[in-house]
Amino acid sequence: DAGVIQSPRHEVTEMGQEVTLRCKPISGHDYLFWYRQTMMRGLELLIYFNNNVPIDDSGMPEDRFSAKMPNASFSTLKIQPSEPRDSAVYFCASSFWTLIVNEQFFGPGTRLTVL
Amino acid sequence: GQQLNQSPQSMFIQEGEDVSMNCTSSSIFNTWLWYKQDPGEGPVLLIALYKAGELTSNGRLTAQFGITRKDSFLNISASIPSDVGIYFCAGQLKHSTNAGKSTFGDGTTLTVKP
Repeated sequence: DAGVIQSPRHEVTEMGQEVTLRCKPISGHDYLFWYRQTMMRGLELLIYFNNNVPIDDSGMPEDRFSAKMPNASFSTLKIQPSEPRDSAVYFCASSFWTLIVNEQFFGPGTRLTVL
Repeated sequence: GQQLNQSPQSMFIQEGEDVSMNCTSSSIFNTWLWYKQDPGEGPVLLIALYKAGELTSNGRLTAQFGITRKDSFLNISASIPSDVGIYFCAGQLKHSTNAGKSTFGDGTTLTVKP
């Protein structure tokens, strides 16, 4: 298995620009998560999907952030317009339930820098 | 919502020393998980615990699921330089409205001096 695939791995943009982060989950996984990691705030859950449907988006910072999952093999996280405080590492993870545990498999992350 | 308190926040140890870190919660979980994040990568699962009181080992790692279901600890014996990274605890509650997600602690950053 290729694991969770994220692109791009690094993104540098200027304040006000639109940023789109992409994720391909592991085939067969029915949960997909978007996290943001910073030194100050640690690992924050932004939103997660089950069977392509958003279940909990309470972690999305504000209306500038949006996430979609048009099918089981693809998801995007969009920031528009971007701001310097959005600089962070964004992780996508996917999972499925075994009998008693839902192990999340994380992608390598996208390091976003907003100047 | 549920919150996990993970301690210590960071540790600086000599190679060969043992390490202990723990997590506590104000509410119960059905499953406790411990992840490790290597520098520049995403977290990877180390150990999963399913029953209160359970003690599980994986090589030099030992983890326990607290009897009250509100805490867990992770021990690393005879640390080596490649143990460097951030260790996260996470709790899951299967039969809830947010059953699919894990609640993560803030992480323990481990530095091992050769």
